[in-house]
Amino acid sequence: QLQLQESGPGLVKPSETLSLTCTVSGGSISSSSYYWGWIRQPPGKGLEWIGSIYYSGSTYYNPSLKSRVTISVDTSKNQFSLKLSSVTAADTAVYYCARVERVTAIRYWGQGTLVTVSS
Amino acid sequence: DIQMTQSPSTLSASVGDRVTITCRASQSISSWLAWYQQKPGKAPKLLIYKASSLESGVPSRFSGSGSGTEFTLTISSLQPDDFATYYCQQYNSWWTFGQGTKVEIK
Repeated sequence: QLQLQESGPGLVKPSETLSLTCTVSGGSISSSSYYWGWIRQPPGKGLEWIGSIYYSGSTYYNPSLKSRVTISVDTSKNQFSLKLSSVTAADTAVYYCARVERVTAIRYWGQGTLVTVSS
Repeated sequence: DIQMTQSPSTLSASVGDRVTITCRASQSISSWLAWYQQKPGKAPKLLIYKASSLESGVPSRFSGSGSGTEFTLTISSLQPDDFATYYCQQYNSWWTFGQGTKVEIK
């Protein structure tokens, strides 16, 4: 059974960089069938797509966040990572990692991790 | 970018009711639409993919229809476990979510 687990600091100071890692177990991140994505959800609000990466390293970023987002993949560790720079309180959210399939969309999600931006 | 608009934002219903949620895309997305159910504190759960395909293990009271720009999620007979928030997502051109529909107890 595929599992995804987010990890990283739960508290980030304003203007700093948020960094999260998603560890994939029970399957290979190097499969050509999938993208790997980050989605966030501010408290009490809806879901927002942040960006996605293919195992080869090709990326797609939400245009509204593109200038601040970097997603990378480490196939040797079966992990992919998110960096979001110059954070503000508006970036406070639960951050999910997910496996994205062409036909079925998102079948597998991480449990989510709350990141709070505060001094 | 493709925008997704769900309606209504909130829906009050009773157990046994037939419930319909609509999702409209700002341009054609063929059938590349998914529906998710989310409960508080949990990750979303896939219900329907490719507009009308029922995910394995999802009760048959859930169904999806539509193509192009207009889609619906129907719950044929609302059960207590179905009170949750529902999101549509297009995956024709990258990925975008609708704003969500909260189904609450009437």
